[in-house]
Amino acid sequence: DVKVTQSSRYLVKRTGEKVFLECVQDMDHENMFWYRQDPGLGLRLIYFSYDVKMKEKGDIPEGYSVSREKKERFSLILESASTNQTSMYLCASSLRVGNQPQHFGDGTRLSIL
Amino acid sequence: DAKTTQPPSMDCAEGRAANLPCNHSTISGNEYVYWYRQIHSQGPQYIIHGLKNNETNEMASLIITEDRKSSTLILPHATLRDTAVYYCIVRVTQGGSEKLVFGKGMKLTVNP
Repeated sequence: DVKVTQSSRYLVKRTGEKVFLECVQDMDHENMFWYRQDPGLGLRLIYFSYDVKMKEKGDIPEGYSVSREKKERFSLILESASTNQTSMYLCASSLRVGNQPQHFGDGTRLSIL
Repeated sequence: DAKTTQPPSMDCAEGRAANLPCNHSTISGNEYVYWYRQIHSQGPQYIIHGLKNNETNEMASLIITEDRKSSTLILPHATLRDTAVYYCIVRVTQGGSEKLVFGKGMKLTVNP
C-alpha cells in the first residue's frame, strides 16, 4: 500500500514564526502535492511538484513556499505564519504516468496563535 | 470550481447497497471521474476511478453513463465504517498540469 506520512498530526505555532510541514512518501512517486482544507471551502491546492527541485504554484500559493530536494520528501514552508493560515494541511503523491490517483496523508492540523 | 454536483447527504441501512450519485455534465472526453472519501480527521482515501467503462475493485463499483454526464458509486454491502464524506471529482488538466478539484462532497451515514 502507498504510504504518505506527514510529520505532525497537530501543530501550534505563533504569528510571525517560520513553519515547516514535512511530507514523505514511500512509493517512488514523481508527483507530490500540498493542499489545505477549510470548512465550507473544501480542499485547495497550494503547490505541487513533478520532480526533484521542480515546483509549480497551485491556486493559493501566497504566503507559502515549498522545497523538494529528494524525490520522497516535499516540504511546505510558511515564511511568516499568520492566523489566516490556521487550517488542515494535506499532502498527496501520485505516479506521473497515466491517470493515476493521488494518495493522501492523514493531514496536519495547524493552529497559528 | 468543481465540475461535479452531488446531493449534500444520504442515509443507508447497514448491509444494504449504497448508491451514491454524481453529475458531471460538462466533463470532457479525456477527463476521468475519481471517487474519494474522507472520514473525520483523516486524509481523503482513494476509492476508484474510471473514464467510460464501468469499474470494480475490492472497495466499490463505478457505473458511468454512456454519455458520461453522470456516474454512480456503489458500495455493495455498506458497513458503519463506510460513514464518511464522499467526493466525486473530475480531474482537470490545466496548462499542462493536473489537479483534483474537490467540491463539497456528500455525507453518507450508514445506520445500524
